[in-house]
Amino acid sequence: DAGVTQSPTHLIKTRGQHVTLRCSPISGHKSVSWYQQVLGQGPQFIFQYYEKEERGRGNFPDRFSARQFPNYSSELNVNALLLGDSALYLCASSSQGTKTQYFGPGTRLLVL
Amino acid sequence: AQSVSQHNHHVILSEAASLELGCNYSYGGTVNLFWYVQYPGQHLQLLLKYFSGDPLVKGIKGFEAEFIKSKFSFNLRKPSVQWSDTAEYFCAVTTYSSASKIIFGSGTRLSIRP
Repeated sequence: DAGVTQSPTHLIKTRGQHVTLRCSPISGHKSVSWYQQVLGQGPQFIFQYYEKEERGRGNFPDRFSARQFPNYSSELNVNALLLGDSALYLCASSSQGTKTQYFGPGTRLLVL
Repeated sequence: AQSVSQHNHHVILSEAASLELGCNYSYGGTVNLFWYVQYPGQHLQLLLKYFSGDPLVKGIKGFEAEFIKSKFSFNLRKPSVQWSDTAEYFCAVTTYSSASKIIFGSGTRLSIRP
């Protein structure tokens, strides 16, 4: 079975631009979470979606938004990019009722 | 706010040495505890987890961890490390009220000398 997939793998943007990152969960998983991992730190929770509804939000500005589609894939959008948004963005999926999240390979975003 | 502390930023060991990585969390209620590993160039993988029951849990690749509730700790151990254990290790916790939100520690980089 395929694991969590994310696209693109790498992305370079300039300050002020907008970016969209994509995630496909493990087949059968209905929950998707997004994390930001800055170099040298652990991942930080951004959002969780379950059945297309936002179920949790971390301490991130409104420039960050996300949505989940009927096929349970998800998009993370970041507007007005700042240099500090440079990070590895991780997507994780889990199945209903479980407490274990499985992570994708991430999208590495560089903001210049 | 809940937090996870990993006091060892970088650990260097020789092959066959024993390993113990410290992890402490701050939360007074029921927790679920995890250790994740990130090998060079690979994605984050679950090493082991504790939800309830026996506080000594065994994971993949010979790793184990012990939950000591009184010390708010969940230390990772391995009796004999291999060069292939070189990786970044993250301790993580979820709480009953925020089961969807994983709180990660800052990670411990483990380097194994062949």
